[in-house]
Amino acid sequence: SQKIEQNSEALNIQEGKTATLTCNYTNYSPAYLQWYRQDPGRGPVFLLLIRENEKEKRKERLKVTFDTTLKQSLFHITASQPADSATYLCAPGSARQLTFGSGTQLTVLP
Amino acid sequence: EAGVVQSPRYKIIEKKQPVAFWCNPISGHNTLYWYRQNLGQGPELLIRYENEEAVDDSQLPKDRFSAERLKGVDSTLKIQPAELGDSAVYLCASSTDSYEQYFGPGTRLTVT
Repeated sequence: SQKIEQNSEALNIQEGKTATLTCNYTNYSPAYLQWYRQDPGRGPVFLLLIRENEKEKRKERLKVTFDTTLKQSLFHITASQPADSATYLCAPGSARQLTFGSGTQLTVLP
Repeated sequence: EAGVVQSPRYKIIEKKQPVAFWCNPISGHNTLYWYRQNLGQGPELLIRYENEEAVDDSQLPKDRFSAERLKGVDSTLKIQPAELGDSAVYLCASSTDSYEQYFGPGTRLTVT
């Protein structure tokens, strides 16, 4: 069965540094991969989508890479701010169906 | 543009009681999803609708869960009877022809 693994449940970094979150998947060949942000008590919010034929995607301070050979995606937040503190969910997908990882809780320390 | 609306936001019931959740998707979004999210886990798909047709309900526990999407707009998810293990957050999401999904705030269900 499909398995999605996101690096350590919690990640703490200092403000201004770059946060790097990892998503690995097995038994799956997704056509695309999405990243979502979830704050406590709220639903996930879409951040970025990267397709299988794309290596990298950027949006403001966010960057996502997608390596279909390694079956891995990396999510970077540059110049991190305390407001970036949240849980980030990785979601590989095909045919409009997503499988979510359990998320990485990021805390940016002032 | 209004987001996905869900109600109620919180619900506490005793086991064996029925419960229903309501979702109003973003206007014009033909795809609607119901997910269940347990504490510390990602959302798990229960059912997906394309307009009024349920195109994937393989993860829906059909012995106690049911869902409907009348006229391809609003949707209702029902549990009858509820069990202790059903305590979770139930999320509704909608999307268009693009792949990103827009989520509602969820309904937190507690079964005692």
